[in-house]
Amino acid sequence: GAVVSQHPSWVICKSGTSVKIECRSLDFQATTMFWYRQFPKQSLMLMATSNEGSKATYEQGVEKDKFLINHASLTLSTLTVTSAHPEDSSFYICSPTGTFDQPQHFGDGTRLSIL
Amino acid sequence: DAKTTQPTSMDCAEGRAANLPCNHSTISGNEYVYWYRQIHSQGPQYIIHGLKNNETNEMASLIITEDRKSSTLILPHATLRDTAVYYCIVGKNTGNQFYFGTGTSLTVIP
Repeated sequence: GAVVSQHPSWVICKSGTSVKIECRSLDFQATTMFWYRQFPKQSLMLMATSNEGSKATYEQGVEKDKFLINHASLTLSTLTVTSAHPEDSSFYICSPTGTFDQPQHFGDGTRLSIL
Repeated sequence: DAKTTQPTSMDCAEGRAANLPCNHSTISGNEYVYWYRQIHSQGPQYIIHGLKNNETNEMASLIITEDRKSSTLILPHATLRDTAVYYCIVGKNTGNQFYFGTGTSLTVIP
């Protein structure tokens, strides 16, 4: 099956810090990347969709200036949480997708804790 | 928004079959039914998907009703490691975003 690498798996940092999360598709070309976040005891919520080389499309209520997405190559996308605050503490999960007729796969997630 | 409804939680005895239902009454003709599961603090893991016909793989079986308005995921011999939240999602072929519902929290009891 498809291999997705998400890094880091866990990060703790001070309020006001910017945090970058990387998502790599190791054995396929990801033309599209979905980013989700998940608060404790809740389901996954789609944050944004990005296509390689294009600007990301954000879901309603997600601040595009807060969550910067870069999808400059077919194997790497990054999500940067800028000036993170405690309310941004969450579990962030990427899902790269490429060819059709393949089920989507997900990264193992990044647990972000802002103090 | 999620287009599926699932029971919030279920228990199953170890070694018995776990049958997880899902309603998707507004599914479109070209939408598939996907099942994923999420073990605590991990990303969702793909289990199985289908369009109209019943499907089986090494992990589970998927039974889709003839009108496609509901489906059941069957784990034939549940083990303790199957304890997880199971998500039923409807969507088109890969390339479209998934909207997750609340899922079913399955607890396998020794």
